[in-house]
Formats: sequence, C-alpha cells, structure tokens
Amino acid sequence: EVQLSESGGGLVQPGGSLRLSCTASGFTFSSYVMSWVRQAPGKGLEWVAGFSSRGNYTSYADSVKGRFTISRDNSKNTLYLQMNTLRADDTAVYYCAKGMINTYYFDNWGQGTLVTVSS
Amino acid sequence: ENVLTQSPATLSLSPGDRATLSCRASQMVSSFYLAWYQQKPGQAPRLLIYGASNRATGIPDRFSGSGSGTDFTLTISRLEPEDFAVYYCQQYGSSPRTFGQGTKVEI
Repeated sequence: EVQLSESGGGLVQPGGSLRLSCTASGFTFSSYVMSWVRQAPGKGLEWVAGFSSRGNYTSYADSVKGRFTISRDNSKNTLYLQMNTLRADDTAVYYCAKGMINTYYFDNWGQGTLVTVSS
Repeated sequence: ENVLTQSPATLSLSPGDRATLSCRASQMVSSFYLAWYQQKPGQAPRLLIYGASNRATGIPDRFSGSGSGTDFTLTISRLEPEDFAVYYCQQYGSSPRTFGQGTKVEI
C-alpha cells in the first residue's frame, strides 16, 4: 500500500523559512515523479513544484520560483520542500503527491501539512 | 501558463441525476494530458480520470471523461450520495502544471 506522510508544517513569520518533508513507502520511490501541491484555506488546488523520476529535473509554479526548492533523497524515500522568504499568501495545506513514472498526474496523496505565515 | 477554467462553479443536483462538468484550457492540452480529481471536505484529492478518459484504479464506471484540445468534460451518469464533492481538472502536458478552480457538486 502506498503511503505518503508529510511533516514540518507550522507557524512562521513573514520572511521566514520552513522545510517540509514527505516520507514515502509502499512503492519504488526513485522511479516516480513527485510533487508538492498546496491548498489555501477555502480555496482550490495549486501545483507548487515537481521533481522528475529521471535526470533530476525540477519545475516550479511562477508564484514560488526563486523562493522554494524541491529536492529528493531516494536513499531515504523522502521528498523535501525548502521554503524561504515566506509570505502570507503561502499559507496553505501542503500535500505531497506521487506522480507516475514520467508524467505529472497524481495517483496518491498524503494527508497534508498546514503552513501558516503570520506575525 | 495554461489556465484551466471550470464551469459551472456550483452544480445543484439530486441523487440519481446526471452531472456534466466542463474544463476549458487557454491553450491546447498536448496528448490528452488532462486529469480529474474529487475532493471531499477535510480529505486529500482522489484521482478519478487521467489521459482525459481513462478511469483510475477502483473508480466506478459511472464516472467518465471525454474531450480533447482545449475542451474537456467529466460526466457522472447517476449521482450517488458519496459523489457530492468538489471536482478539479488538471493539465500535465506543459509546465507549470495547472489546476482548474473547481466545481462543487451539491445537493
């Protein structure tokens, strides 16, 4: 059974930093695309960042480019999201999502971790 | 960026009704790279359809997807009580990957 478990969320001041982690199990982590998707309170889904399964390619939404960095450690089956220069509009539940071998639709999701940016 | 616009924003229906949800893209979606998700309050999204018309594992056949190019449709043939939720389309043919703003199917 595929399991994705996010951690690292919490309350942070504007301009601060936070690192999210997603620990995966139940599948060959290194073989699959992984992404972060967020959802602001009462709003829709927003794709944030993605990491390819081959070639270490990363991609980002324009809203986070230059501030967020996605990475993965295949030896630890873990996906990360380093978030810097956080703003109030980054407040959201952040979901870790498993893609397919070379495509970015998501067949498994974690339960999410809440990030609140506020003074 | 390929902007996805879903309509209507809210669909008020009854159990047993047919639901038709629309997703229109601002640019061509390459290779039918369009997915649909269902989300219930307090839960993570669930994949329903990928490749515009392929049902994901375990999804009942009352859910079907169709369309190509810039116009896509999710149809629920006969609404069950558990189908009342918010539905999102997502394109994954180009980066950044984008979601529509959602359609709420309510009783």
